[in-house]
Amino acid sequence: GEDVEQSLFLSVREGDSSVINCTYTDSSSTYLYWYKQEPGAGLQLLTYIFSNMDMKQDQRLTVLLNKKDKHLSLRIADTQTGDSAIYFCAENDYGQNFVFGPGTRLSVLP
Amino acid sequence: DSGVTQTPKHLITATGQRVTLRCSPRSGDLSVYWYQQSLDQGLQFLIQYYNGEERAKGNILERFSAQQFPDLHSELNLSSLELGDSALYFCASRRDRGDPDTQYFGPGTRLTVL
Repeated sequence: GEDVEQSLFLSVREGDSSVINCTYTDSSSTYLYWYKQEPGAGLQLLTYIFSNMDMKQDQRLTVLLNKKDKHLSLRIADTQTGDSAIYFCAENDYGQNFVFGPGTRLSVLP
Repeated sequence: DSGVTQTPKHLITATGQRVTLRCSPRSGDLSVYWYQQSLDQGLQFLIQYYNGEERAKGNILERFSAQQFPDLHSELNLSSLELGDSALYFCASRRDRGDPDTQYFGPGTRLTVL
């Protein structure tokens, strides 16, 4: 079945860039998403990328997609303490099925 | 604010009991998804409804059931509760048309089974 994998933890210093990586197995994925979950809250859609794109930039966020390697990354520039959260990668194949990764817990150190 | 509402926010109950969680999707969204998030299992897809009908099933236990009503709100029923059912339960809604066709999550219901 489809699977999405992420590393579970990442620590960075405030002001540095964070790069969160994700790999997926479903080659028919059409959209890939990044969600952010702050403590005690629901998942908030951060950004998404269509599978025919290589890169998408949105303010401090840059999404890179390597479709050949089925690798997705989220770069957060100038990481702030407010960016501390769990980041979920998810994929969707235009069907009903969304598959989420286990989440990467980002800790931003002062 | 995603536009998806869930009630109650917190629920504390005892083993063996039954509870009902409620979700109201964003205006115009036809699909509702239910997820369970626990510390050791991550985010697990339970079930999806589209316009009142069950569309997809994930790792949902037989003790759990759901339905979507004509006004598109949905309820998740959990019965014969066990300690391991303690978790955050999220619903998400989706429009099912337009691009990108993404899910929007509610704030969740935290269930504690004692």
